[in-house]
Amino acid sequence: QSALTQPASVSGSPGQSITISCTGTSSDVGVYNYVSWYQQHPGKAPKLLIYDVSSRPSGVSDRFSGSKSGNTASLTISGLQAEDEADYYCSSYTSSTTVIFGGGTKLTVL
Amino acid sequence: EVQLLESGGGLIQPGGSLRLSCAASGFTFGSCDMSWVRQAPGKGLEWVSTISGGGAKTYYADSVKGRFTISRDNSKNTLYLQMNSLRAEDTALYYCAKAIGGGWSKHDYWGQGTLVTVSS
Repeated sequence: QSALTQPASVSGSPGQSITISCTGTSSDVGVYNYVSWYQQHPGKAPKLLIYDVSSRPSGVSDRFSGSKSGNTASLTISGLQAEDEADYYCSSYTSSTTVIFGGGTKLTVL
Repeated sequence: EVQLLESGGGLIQPGGSLRLSCAASGFTFGSCDMSWVRQAPGKGLEWVSTISGGGAKTYYADSVKGRFTISRDNSKNTLYLQMNSLRAEDTALYYCAKAIGGGWSKHDYWGQGTLVTVSS
């Protein structure tokens, strides 16, 4: 099963909002509300930002929000900050009882 | 405080075997589904396997099915990954991750990883 499709890179200036897309199929993103988003800084373990499409774990800033439409999920970061520069990964449960990740998106804060 | 500490990684020849361990603390281990997720050098995340809290249910990625076995010892708060018939493409940092209750596909705590290098 191929990875979920994410843009390789996105960029934005401090204070701006950016959106990262995550496109799957009718066997994963399109049929389950089990999409998660992770942030990973270089040399660090991933950190859960969003789960179940739009839920935030306690302690995660409300600048991070998630949504889904059809086979595509999205992560929006508002009020971009320098510390948001990192790699971002989406993941989804699949109809094959597996988990699939996106290829990752590198966010650059200009 | 939730802590996950992986160990057991190292350099291994193709075709060899290795067992990874993940010592957990700070939460009720036996009540939580647990997973292994790997990351090849410079690459993205790849889900490897998940085991239910009681150990009765296991799930594997196609890339490791039949070669890797996930298990757990709830009396020792420890998760394992037995890796056999290792290949060069198994080279990666292997993370242990705790799943959130209500669904095992989302993980709220991750260890720092243990590096497995498969090379002759």
